[in-house]
Order: sequence, then C-alpha cells, then structure tokens
Amino acid sequence: DADVTQTPRNRITKTGKRIMLECSQTKGHDRMYWYRQDPGLGLRLIYYSFDVKDINKGEISDGYSVSRQAQAKFSLSLESAIPNQTALYFCATSDLTGDNTHNEQFFGPGTRLTVL
Amino acid sequence: SQKIEQNSEALNIQEGKTATLTCNYTNYSPAYLQWYRQDPGRGPVFLLLIRENEKEKRKERLKVTFDTTLKQSLFHITASQPADSATYLCALTTGGYQKVTFGIGTKLQVIP
Repeated sequence: DADVTQTPRNRITKTGKRIMLECSQTKGHDRMYWYRQDPGLGLRLIYYSFDVKDINKGEISDGYSVSRQAQAKFSLSLESAIPNQTALYFCATSDLTGDNTHNEQFFGPGTRLTVL
Repeated sequence: SQKIEQNSEALNIQEGKTATLTCNYTNYSPAYLQWYRQDPGRGPVFLLLIRENEKEKRKERLKVTFDTTLKQSLFHITASQPADSATYLCALTTGGYQKVTFGIGTKLQVIP
C-alpha cells in the first residue's frame, strides 16, 4: 500500500463550489505539507503542519484552508473555487528524525483539480 | 529576491551518453541541496542529496556536484537509458525549520 495517499485523484468542479482534498499517510511522520504544481511555476507551498496542533501558511495560502485532523490526516479546502486554482495538488510528509536532517519530502500521487 | 533556476527547456540526449542538468540559485545559503525525479502524473521522488560542505556525491549512475561559490549544482546521469526520461527537480533546504524550496524542474528525454 502507498505510504501517502490522496483523494480524489481527479476532480472537476465549477467556480464558486467548495471542495476538499484529502491526504492520509502511514509513514508516522509529524510534518505534512500541501503543494500545488503549475507548468512553468513548479511546486509551491500552500500550507504546512508540524504536528496536530500546528498550522502554518506557505507562500500561496490565499483562497485555501487546511485541517489537521490527526497525525495521519491533512486536508486542504478551497472554500470557493476559482479557475486559476486549476492545478496539480500534492500532499507530502517529512520527519526530521534520524538521518533526515535535509528534510526529504515524501509525496503522494497528486490530485488533478480542474475548476471550470 | 530568492531564486532557483533550472533550465525549463527539455534536454534531449542519446541513450548511453551522460546527461547533465543544472541548478543555479541566488540569495540562498542552503544547508543541503536535494534532487528529485518526477514522472508524469506522479509525485516527486527523492534521489540524492549533497551537503553544503561536500563537493560531490555519487549513487550508482548518478553524480551530483555542489559549488557554493558559484551557487550551482550539477546533476549527472551517466550511461543514460530511456527509463531515465523524466523531470528532475532540484530543491534547497534552508533555515531553522529546514524549509525545502523546489526549482521548476528540467525535463530529460533519453532517445534510444
């Protein structure tokens, strides 16, 4: 089974709709992240969480919110979707214990979101 | 402002040759530089890292160099194979909480 899973894998929605993307991990990592990826812009950090009670904004958090329901679950919400939120969304985890002082990121398979 | 630059144009190379990808950065003092591989429709996967006090790292057919004076890393794949075709991302680890920032990636196509 995959260590980091995302649901849904693909989603088409309309402008103004509320949508939630979910991420679950079985790696036991404390840190979780949400990124979006756009052609020519690369991966950009939306939100990150270092533990269940910790939520931090990334570089492009406007229009998004997150919830860390448990160590293993981190969801991303678009309260009112707009077309420029069309992108590939990735959840990632990391853990700075042991040899991972470089903060290696473990990514999920991604969610392709289209906002019409 | 901080910037990570990777050649956004695709790199086409003949099978068996060495592929060299470049990552340049400005206004960063990274503790680590990482390289990831991303296949279409999938999440990036970690390949290799190099520390700020290291000049070169090798792993099988992969080699990474890191020049903190030039602010540049080179990523080499020797004896390239069609299965090496993918997008390769460099990422810098900086700051107290080990923030990771990604470049946009370079697409490599190995032609049989």
